[in-house]
Amino acid sequence: DAKTTQPTSMDCAEGRAANLPCNHSTISGNEYVYWYRQIHSQGPQYIIHGLKNNETNEMASLIITEDRKSSTLILPHATLRDTAVYYCIVSYQLTFGKGTKLSVIP
Amino acid sequence: GAVVSQHPSWVICKSGTSVKIECRSLDFQATTMFWYRQFPKQSLMLMATSNEGSKATYEQGVEKDKFLINHASLTLSTLTVTSAHPEDSSFYICSARQGAVTGELFFGEGSRLTVL
Repeated sequence: DAKTTQPTSMDCAEGRAANLPCNHSTISGNEYVYWYRQIHSQGPQYIIHGLKNNETNEMASLIITEDRKSSTLILPHATLRDTAVYYCIVSYQLTFGKGTKLSVIP
Repeated sequence: GAVVSQHPSWVICKSGTSVKIECRSLDFQATTMFWYRQFPKQSLMLMATSNEGSKATYEQGVEKDKFLINHASLTLSTLTVTSAHPEDSSFYICSARQGAVTGELFFGEGSRLTVL
């Protein structure tokens, strides 16, 4: 199974874009990249997923490098409610890493 | 998106008793459900994979006789913590996959267990 690595924490000013990186260098060709976030004492919330192409939905954008070894989740206009732990996982791997604790600062 | 519901949201029990947590997929059929445990300030740890109509597959180090998993239908999986002890106090989260193995995982709200 592919493993992912993410920075432990990041800060972002309210209203600015938050760019959260993830390395998944051992991802296999047919594994998807998923992003979830967890707000304290709640279950993880699905954000977005992708295979090769960049993806966008109402919550975020996902940029996947051409070699698929890394990706970046972009929250275009971070709000205080986006403060959470963000997890990047790959589809056949059901284990979560430590994630990135994003703090959105007023 | 699809909805996964857990019940109860929180439970307090005495040491030595058993506690059952239910996980339901409300608007889709889930052939496979997953159970996680999360201790404070730690990440989710996969405990077991629950397959409808067959025995669960447990991760290394998880006692199958202590954490009984039943997946009797395509919309319901249950986790029973038997003879609970204070060290079993944790946040238990289930998830269900919609569709193929590459389908997204939907998570329940979690169940907080406190064993006195």
